[in-house]
Amino acid sequence: QVQLVESGGGVVQPGRSLRLSCAASGFTFSLYGLHWVRQAPGKGLEWVAFICNDECDQYYADSVKGRFTISRDNSKNILYLQIDSLRAEDTAVYYCARDGAHYDIDSWGQGALVTVSS
Amino acid sequence: QSALTQPPSVSGSPGQSVTISCTGASSDIGTYNRVSWYQQPPGTAPKLMIYDVSNRPSGVPDRFSGSKSGNTASLIISGLQAEDEADYYCGLKIGGSIWVFGGGTKLTVL
Repeated sequence: QVQLVESGGGVVQPGRSLRLSCAASGFTFSLYGLHWVRQAPGKGLEWVAFICNDECDQYYADSVKGRFTISRDNSKNILYLQIDSLRAEDTAVYYCARDGAHYDIDSWGQGALVTVSS
Repeated sequence: QSALTQPPSVSGSPGQSVTISCTGASSDIGTYNRVSWYQQPPGTAPKLMIYDVSNRPSGVPDRFSGSKSGNTASLIISGLQAEDEADYYCGLKIGGSIWVFGGGTKLTVL
């Protein structure tokens, strides 16, 4: 079955950088686009970024453009999210998710918590 | 990026039906059949419940259905059960591969 496992979260000081990883299994990784979606404590879902299956295109939410970089390694089945210049408002659970065959996001990881605090 | 509006909360008793609305604009929900719905019980990851307005993935009970009228999409849950208590989000692919989610609706089963 599809498995998406995020790692790399933790407590980080404002202004620092962090890289999240998402290890995928149970499907042909190189055939699927992938998303990062975040959820601040007690808040709703916020779409963050998307990368197509062969890195042809990346898309970002306006709120993170210029500070976040989505990338992937199809040889290792890993998705990444590089977050620079971290701010308090970046504190959230970050979910890795798979783009579905229709207009949907069909599989989600369990999330990685990033806390930005001094 | 556009916004999708959901009611903050809805409630219903076991066995009843509830409807959760998701209102967008004529340029997004009104034009495209791209609305999906996600269920998120407390402390868990979201789960896809409906795609392309009204289609259920394999394994989702047929108590869950979706529809659309004009600029508003709806998730209908019939025969409400205690396990349906969760947050529900609508989602929409609005262009390229840019997505937007509604603010979420907390469903309480009384």
